[in-house]
Amino acid sequence: EAQVTQNPRYLITVTGKKLTVTCSQNMNHEYMSWYRQDPGLGLRQIYYSMNVEVTDKGDVPEGYKVSRKEKRNFPLILESPSPNQTSLYFCASSWTGFQPQHFGDGTRLSIL
Amino acid sequence: AQKITQTQPGMFVQEKEAVTLDCTYDTSDPSYGLFWYKQPSSGEMIFLIYQGSYDQQNATEGRYSLNFQKARKSANLVISASQLGDSAMYFCAMREEETSGSRLTFGEGTQLTVNP
Repeated sequence: EAQVTQNPRYLITVTGKKLTVTCSQNMNHEYMSWYRQDPGLGLRQIYYSMNVEVTDKGDVPEGYKVSRKEKRNFPLILESPSPNQTSLYFCASSWTGFQPQHFGDGTRLSIL
Repeated sequence: AQKITQTQPGMFVQEKEAVTLDCTYDTSDPSYGLFWYKQPSSGEMIFLIYQGSYDQQNATEGRYSLNFQKARKSANLVISASQLGDSAMYFCAMREEETSGSRLTFGEGTQLTVNP
């Protein structure tokens, strides 16, 4: 089954404690992306990757890091999380940036 | 300036009726794509329909159609014969090929409620 898998689905943690949200896709897609969703703001793109070792900033990259060492994986790293990063996070993938994206089920992060 | 504007925070429609969800966009890029996604209360994002800026005809996918008016920079989603399962948040999104590369910009969404 074609899918984008995010882990964890839910996480409550404290300010400053480094965390990683994993994202994996099994469709051999070249394009992967991370979004955060906040009430009244829709989805905002954090980072995206056109292919292995190729990443670029989206609209709200501050406080986040990503890496794309393998085609299937695109982890999101919060080196020093802060409460304003409490949000619902989505990973997505597609063949190219112009193709419709398949979304993961989301990760709800709460930073206390 | 907002690149994607969805002016209807909430919409209500009677079951079996048609409903139009508005989306206007702002770009000077000649090549762009417009997407609509549905987000039910369960939270997942579901792709509905896509329209390319060079497409000659309006996109259709089953009960979904896109009323694309390029000169007015609008890409409204039309849902025909609404069903209770259509109750969800709907997002319009745009990708500009030259201006923003592969970045995808979403609107704030419209919450659609279908009444029985």
